[in-house]
Formats: sequence, C-alpha cells, structure tokens
Amino acid sequence: DAGVTQSPTHLIKTRGQHVTLRCSPISGHKSVSWYQQVLGQGPQFIFQYYEKEERGRGNFPDRFSARQFPNYSSELNVNALLLGDSALYLCASSRPQETQYFGPGTRLLVL
Amino acid sequence: QKEVEQDPGPLSVPEGAIVSLNCTYSNSAFQYFMWYRQYSRKGPELLMYTYSSGNKEDGRFTAQVDKSSKYISLFIRDSQPSDSATYLCAMSMDSSYKLIFGSGTRLLVRP
Repeated sequence: DAGVTQSPTHLIKTRGQHVTLRCSPISGHKSVSWYQQVLGQGPQFIFQYYEKEERGRGNFPDRFSARQFPNYSSELNVNALLLGDSALYLCASSRPQETQYFGPGTRLLVL
Repeated sequence: QKEVEQDPGPLSVPEGAIVSLNCTYSNSAFQYFMWYRQYSRKGPELLMYTYSSGNKEDGRFTAQVDKSSKYISLFIRDSQPSDSATYLCAMSMDSSYKLIFGSGTRLLVRP
C-alpha cells in the first residue's frame, strides 16, 4: 500500500502571502491530521478531520484552516504568512482506534 | 511546564551499544504511547505503539511504559549507524486523535 503522500515537497513564500498544502491519506484511512514541526521541536497538532468533519483543532490562529474532501484527501491553508510559519508541515492518517502514520511533509520557508 | 519532556541530546554511542531513550509526562489521562523515528528532513516513521503500562518488544526495539511514574522508555539493542536519527516520543488519550510529542532526542551511532 502507498503511504501518506503530501505536495508540494517544499516551497518558498513571502510574508503576507497565502499557501495551500495537500495530503492524500493511506487507502482506507478516513481520518487526516495536520501537524506543524518547527526546527528542533516535536510536531504540534493543528487540525484533525474525520469523515470530512473537523474533529479537533490545536492552538493555532484563525489564519490556519483546513478541509477534507469526499475522497478523504485534505488541504491545509495558511493566510497572511508570517516568518514564524516557516516549518515542516506534516500530514498523518489513521483508521479509528489505530495510531497515525505520517507523510514526508511539506517544508515551507517564509521570507 | 511542557506536557511531555524529552532530553534533546545529542546522544552519541558506539556501534553495538544498547541505547536508552526516555520521556516523562504530566497528564495521567494519556493511554497510548508511541515512538517515532525521524531522519533528517523526513516525516516521522512509527517504530513502537503501546497501550497503557507494560513492555513491548519488536526485533531490536523494546518499549516500556510505567504509568505510575509517568515515564516511558525505548531501548535499542545492538545499535547500528543506520539508527542515527531523531527519536520522538508521542502520547495521546485516544490513539487516533491528537498526539502530544516530545521535542525529540538526536541519536548518533558511531561506526
């Protein structure tokens, strides 16, 4: 089975711009979670979606939003980018009551 | 105080050594405990997944959970240079929901 896939692998934006990151879960997984990992830190939870509904949200500003599509893929959107948004953005998928499997991440650099 | 504490290292050991990695936590509601391995600029890879207290062994890896002490460990036997990576502990109240990560321990296995 293919693992979690994410696109793009990396991108560079400038402050104030908007970015959209994409994630395709493992086949059969209906839950998708997004995490932000700043250099030298562990991943921090941003959102989880299950069956296209938001199940939970971490301590991130409203500039961060996400959605899940009928095929269970997901998008993470970040508006009005700040320098501090530079990080590795990770997507993870899971089945109910099972643990999460992570994709390779999208590395975002904000200049 | 962070919910999950993990020594950042780096931890440098010779090839063949037994490695011990540890995390402490403060939230007694955590029931699920995981160890992920993360190579540089890659996504976290699930190594071990444990529910509640006890030990779990998988090849050269052993995970231990002591809920009474709020302390988890990962042991790596016969360490190899290919084990050089950052090891992240993670825990949650629900296995498929929000994971709380430690900051990661960087391990270097010298040939």
